[in-house]
Amino acid sequence: EPEVTQTPSHQVTQMGQEVILRCVPISNHLYFYWYRQILGQKVEFLVSFYNNEISEKSEIFDDQFSVERPDGSNFTLKIRSTKLEDSAMYFCASSEGGPNYGYTFGSGTRLTVV
Amino acid sequence: RKEVEQDPGPFNVPEGATVAFNCTYSNSASQSFFWYRQDCRKEPKLLMSVYSSGNEDGRFTAQLNRASQYISLLIRDSKLSDSATYLCVVIRDDYKLSFGAGTTVTVRA
Repeated sequence: EPEVTQTPSHQVTQMGQEVILRCVPISNHLYFYWYRQILGQKVEFLVSFYNNEISEKSEIFDDQFSVERPDGSNFTLKIRSTKLEDSAMYFCASSEGGPNYGYTFGSGTRLTVV
Repeated sequence: RKEVEQDPGPFNVPEGATVAFNCTYSNSASQSFFWYRQDCRKEPKLLMSVYSSGNEDGRFTAQLNRASQYISLLIRDSKLSDSATYLCVVIRDDYKLSFGAGTTVTVRA
């Protein structure tokens, strides 16, 4: 079964450092997403990406966040200057035809900011 | 009122029991509904879509009540492996997707 892969599975970084979380969506999917889940809390939408541009973003996705699809297969989330409150599980997801088709999530990157 | 609300549980049930729980949503124009399952510290996985007429997938039955703005999930003959958090997902008419905080189900031997 096709899957969304994310690397690394766990990243520890110091406050103020930049991190890049990587995702390889399912190859024939056209819609890509980043979500985060702070421990014990609900899954929160960050950003959606379609046709090489951001189609939607939440209030959480401020100027310190950016996404890129640099080479047609990878989909990255960059956090420029990490804060303690950025510690969370970050999930990448992809969808064949948009949200009504359901998402396939990657196994997540656990980001710990110290 | 939250966009998507779920009873957090936990629902503790013996193996073989039936368990059911609801999810309410606030936006009456919401168009699509899903149940996802999330195991501890794992990614959400799509369990089933929820159709207007109700639908069944093996031991799982999902229902939609548009008048009262809720969806439900019923698990029959529950197995130990059904222990998980069940996330309600609602897609609004503007295609924004909202997750509920989840309902935890624990099936005991």
